[in-house]
Amino acid sequence: EAGVAQSPRYKIIEKRQSVAFWCNPISGHATLYWYQQILGQGPKLLIQFQNNGVVDDSQLPKDRFSAERLKGVDSTLKIQPAKLEDSAVYLCASSLRIRGVETQYFGPGTRLLVL
Amino acid sequence: GEDVEQSLFLSVREGDSSVINCTYTDSSSTYLYWYKQEPGAGLQLLTYIFSNMDMKQDQRLTVLLNKKDKHLSLRIADTQTGDSAIYFCAEGPHGQNFVFGPGTRLSVLP
Repeated sequence: EAGVAQSPRYKIIEKRQSVAFWCNPISGHATLYWYQQILGQGPKLLIQFQNNGVVDDSQLPKDRFSAERLKGVDSTLKIQPAKLEDSAVYLCASSLRIRGVETQYFGPGTRLLVL
Repeated sequence: GEDVEQSLFLSVREGDSSVINCTYTDSSSTYLYWYKQEPGAGLQLLTYIFSNMDMKQDQRLTVLLNKKDKHLSLRIADTQTGDSAIYFCAEGPHGQNFVFGPGTRLSVLP
């Protein structure tokens, strides 16, 4: 079974530039998450999709971050314009409910450095 | 608000047992999870425990839950160098989102 795919793996941009990340979840997983993981911290949820609808985006900085999940499969996360404090690893995960347990599978992440 | 806390570092000798501790605040959490993150990789689910259980054992891993004190621990028996990683405790889902702790960096010394 293929895992969660993310691209690019690394990105370096200057502040005020724009950047986009792509995620392809595991086939058949209805729920997709984007997390921000700042160095030395645990992942923080940015947005959660159920199919192509948003379930929770309460921690997404909507003035600069946006995300979409077209046709309930792939998803993109965009930052426009980027700030220095956006430097982090952006993790995508998809999940499946197995015997009542929501089991998340994570991609390798996109490491973003904003200069 | 929801908060999950962990000690940041743990060092053990190869062959010894490791115990990683976690405290959480939301008593409504249905499941509590342990994830492992190796360098440059995403998180990998190790095990989970349902909130009405006290203990769960899975090969070398033992999870203990003290619901009264909101304390969760992960014990790794016969720790190996391949166990060196960052271990995250997480609570949820309740409402919609998972809440992760800051992670415990486990170093296994030969």
